[in-house]
Amino acid sequence: KQEVTQIPAALSVPEGENLVLNCSFTDSAIYNLQWFRQDPGKGLTSLLLIQSSQREQTSGRLNASLDKSSGRSTLYIAASQPGDSATYLCAGEILITGGGNKLTFGTGTQLKVEL
Amino acid sequence: KAGVTQTPRYLIKTRGQQVTLSCSPISGHRSVSWYQQTPGQGLQFLFEYFSETQRNKGNFPGRFSGRQFSNSRSEMNVSTLELGDSALYLCASSFGGGLYNEQFFGPGTRLTVL
Repeated sequence: KQEVTQIPAALSVPEGENLVLNCSFTDSAIYNLQWFRQDPGKGLTSLLLIQSSQREQTSGRLNASLDKSSGRSTLYIAASQPGDSATYLCAGEILITGGGNKLTFGTGTQLKVEL
Repeated sequence: KAGVTQTPRYLIKTRGQQVTLSCSPISGHRSVSWYQQTPGQGLQFLFEYFSETQRNKGNFPGRFSGRQFSNSRSEMNVSTLELGDSALYLCASSFGGGLYNEQFFGPGTRLTVL
């Protein structure tokens, strides 16, 4: 069974701190890795997509890395702000025989950045 | 450009009824995937449509079905609703081809079954 695990499940930090969210996966069939944020009651916002051939991607204060050999990805958030408070989800993209793909989601990390 | 849109945003139904949800993908995207999100099970893959054909299906009962139209818009139908079908239903669109398939999600439809 494909499993994606995120640690920690919840995190509370003071504003300005740098932080790291972890994602681990057991399925070697995971090809790409995508990070999302979800605000309460809302849909998912794509943050970063790391292709299988890449090791990391950066967007503003966000940096995500992917190590397929160890089955791990990390999302680094620099200089956290209260607006970063949300649930962060990682998802492994699995290519399916015959075409198409699907995302297998992690359990999420609920982040709260306090003033 | 416009993002993924889903209608309706909220629905309240009773057990035994059926419901149809709609998803309009980003212009140019040909793949639409549907996911169910519940507090207990998290996000689970329902199915994917590409060029009007169901390409992949998750482990859900046959009460869950869908279709895709020639303009790539997709609908999802749930028949004989059960209490456990209460969830946030999300659709995602992507180009659907090749190895670079960044998926973009809509705001979701919140379904409550009473």
